[in-house]
Amino acid sequence: TAGITQAPTSQILAAGRSMTLRCTQDMRHNAMYWYRQDLGLGLRLIHYSNTAGTTGKGEVPDGYSVSRANTDDFPLTLASAVPSQTSVYFCASSDSEGGRYGYTFGSGTRLTVV
Amino acid sequence: GQNIDQPTEMTATEGAIVQINCTYQTSGFNGLFWYQQHAGEAPTFLSYNVLDGLEEKGRFSSFLSRSKGYSYLLLKELQMKDSASYLCAVMDSNYQLIWGAGTKLIIKP
Repeated sequence: TAGITQAPTSQILAAGRSMTLRCTQDMRHNAMYWYRQDLGLGLRLIHYSNTAGTTGKGEVPDGYSVSRANTDDFPLTLASAVPSQTSVYFCASSDSEGGRYGYTFGSGTRLTVV
Repeated sequence: GQNIDQPTEMTATEGAIVQINCTYQTSGFNGLFWYQQHAGEAPTFLSYNVLDGLEEKGRFSSFLSRSKGYSYLLLKELQMKDSASYLCAVMDSNYQLIWGAGTKLIIKP
């Protein structure tokens, strides 16, 4: 089934450790996004990529980095995790910069930093 | 600043109709989206409005008034499976989606 695969599904991480959240799509979408979702808040954009080889900062980029070496993969790295990064992380993609046909989301990664 | 407002929670009865409102203030406008999100799952696309008026898609309809910065999602013939959060999002002038916090809809038998 075409879509977005995120891994891991959930993770408990010690503060100060690094971690990479993986995201792979098989729809050949140009644009990809990383969001975090916290209770009572809307989805907040961390980083985005409009096309392979380019990335941009979203609303809450501090403490996170991304790369886009090819069309399919868009990993998110936490260099040194802190408890405030406890959240549910969603990767999404769209087939145009404007996303007029909607974003497709992965199933999410639930991260707990202790 | 940019802001999307929608009610935190609503309750409705199975078989009834419910309207979820969304008001927005954004830097530019390139369309408004509604997504459905069941608990513990990813958001899924419901509708897209870029012109004023009503878009109907089965039991769900979405309305937009750009001059008022207002949209609503109308759900008819409610079913228990419609219990979910409904997210309103606006695409701004930079083609970035600005998200509301979502409306949790509770359906009672």
